[in-house]
Amino acid sequence: ETGVTQSPTHLIKTRGQQVTLRCSSQSGHNTVSWYQQALGQGPQFIFQYYREEENGRGNFPPRFSGLQFPNYSSELNVNALELDDSALYLCASSSRTTSGTDNEQFFGPGTRLTVL
Amino acid sequence: DAKTTQPTSMDCAEGRAANLPCNHSTISGNEYVYWYRQIHSQGPQYIIHGLKNNETNEMASLIITEDRKSSTLILPHATLRDTAVYYCIVRPNYSSASKIIFGSGTRLSIRP
Repeated sequence: ETGVTQSPTHLIKTRGQQVTLRCSSQSGHNTVSWYQQALGQGPQFIFQYYREEENGRGNFPPRFSGLQFPNYSSELNVNALELDDSALYLCASSSRTTSGTDNEQFFGPGTRLTVL
Repeated sequence: DAKTTQPTSMDCAEGRAANLPCNHSTISGNEYVYWYRQIHSQGPQYIIHGLKNNETNEMASLIITEDRKSSTLILPHATLRDTAVYYCIVRPNYSSASKIIFGSGTRLSIRP
C-alpha cells in the first residue's frame, strides 16, 4: 500500500510568482485536504476536495486554489506569492464512506516552500 | 481556534510511560478526541481516536474522562523515537466538518 506522496520536496520562489504543489493520495482514499504550517505553529486547514469538488475551506484568500483529479490526486495552486506564504504545505488523504463518515487523515511529508 | 488546551512541553525518561494531558471542556456530544504527532520535518501521523470509551492500539492508549472534558494519551514505554509534537484535536466524524483544527500541541522530549 502506497502512502501519501507530495512533490516537490522543497521549492524556492520569489514574491509575485505562482506555484503548483502536487499530492498523490493513499491507495483507496477519495478525499484530499491541504494544510499550511508556518514555522513553530500547528498546521492550518486550507481546503478539502472530494469527488473533484471543493468541500470546505479555511480562512485563506482566493489566490489559494486547488484541483482534484479523477484518480483522487490533487494540486494546490498559489498565485501572487507573498513572503508570508513561506511554510510547509501538507496534504492529507482519507476515505469517505457512502454514509458520509470520514476516516482518519493520513498526511504526506509536505513541501517546504520558501518565498524570497 | 483550537478547542483543546495542552501543556507547551513535557519530558519523560526513556522506557517510562509518557502521559500527555489534554483539556477539551467545550467538547460536543458528536465530537471525537483525536491524537496526532509530528516528528521533526515530517507530516503529522495519526495515533489514536475515541468518543467516550478508553481506546488502545499498538501505538498508545487513550483515556477519556467520564464527563469527556479531558483526556490523556499514554505512550506505555517511551523511546527516543517518540520525541515529537503531539496534537490533541476534537472533531466530528462526519464529512461536512472533517477539517482538522490543530492547536500548538505538546512538545514531548524523551531523555536517555
